[in-house]
Amino acid sequence: GAGVSQSPSNKVTEKGKDVELRCDPISGHTALYWYRQSLGQGLEFLIYFQGNSAPDKSGLPSDRFSAERTGGSVSTLTIQRTQQEDSAVYLCASSSRRNNPYEQYFGPGTRLTVT
Amino acid sequence: TQLLEQSPQFLSIQEGENLTVYCNSSSVFSSLQWYRQEPGEGPVLLVTVVTGGEVKKLKRLTFQFGDARKDSSLHITAAQPGDTGLYLCAGDPPAVSNTGKLIFGQGTTLQVKP
Repeated sequence: GAGVSQSPSNKVTEKGKDVELRCDPISGHTALYWYRQSLGQGLEFLIYFQGNSAPDKSGLPSDRFSAERTGGSVSTLTIQRTQQEDSAVYLCASSSRRNNPYEQYFGPGTRLTVT
Repeated sequence: TQLLEQSPQFLSIQEGENLTVYCNSSSVFSSLQWYRQEPGEGPVLLVTVVTGGEVKKLKRLTFQFGDARKDSSLHITAAQPGDTGLYLCAGDPPAVSNTGKLIFGQGTTLQVKP
């Protein structure tokens, strides 16, 4: 079956521009997570969606970051007025509540470069 | 804030050698997961350990969860070039154990030379 997909795979943008990153989770997975990864480093939690509940935004680094999930499936992470420190790989993962503990399935990521 | 410290951060060895990667914390985790990530791809789950003292084997990989559920290790026997990658441990904090929100270590980059 299809795994988690993300688009675009690479994005180069100028400082100050807005960007949108897309995530298509595995069909039927109710939980969706966004992480940020700096080069060769661990993952930094950004935001978490579970079903129709309000998202957990506790990891968002600033109010320039926002995310939404439409129809309990596709999610979009938006970064407004991008800064050079936003350059990183943005990873999306999904999981099913039927798994305990939740085993997360990751997409390939979007590499964002802010020039 | 719970933290996971991985060591070493970088390891370069010859094919056939054994190695151990450590993941340590001062806090208890409900479970701990190990992921492997290759360049340009997302992490792939290798194993989940839940019970203190638990040992799981996956071919040449042996995973152990500490008795107190604060630390874990990954041991690779007779490493092969295909084992090259970034190894990440991730813990499930008890306070949010029903959410799947994981805390990740900073990763161990393993290079196995033929």
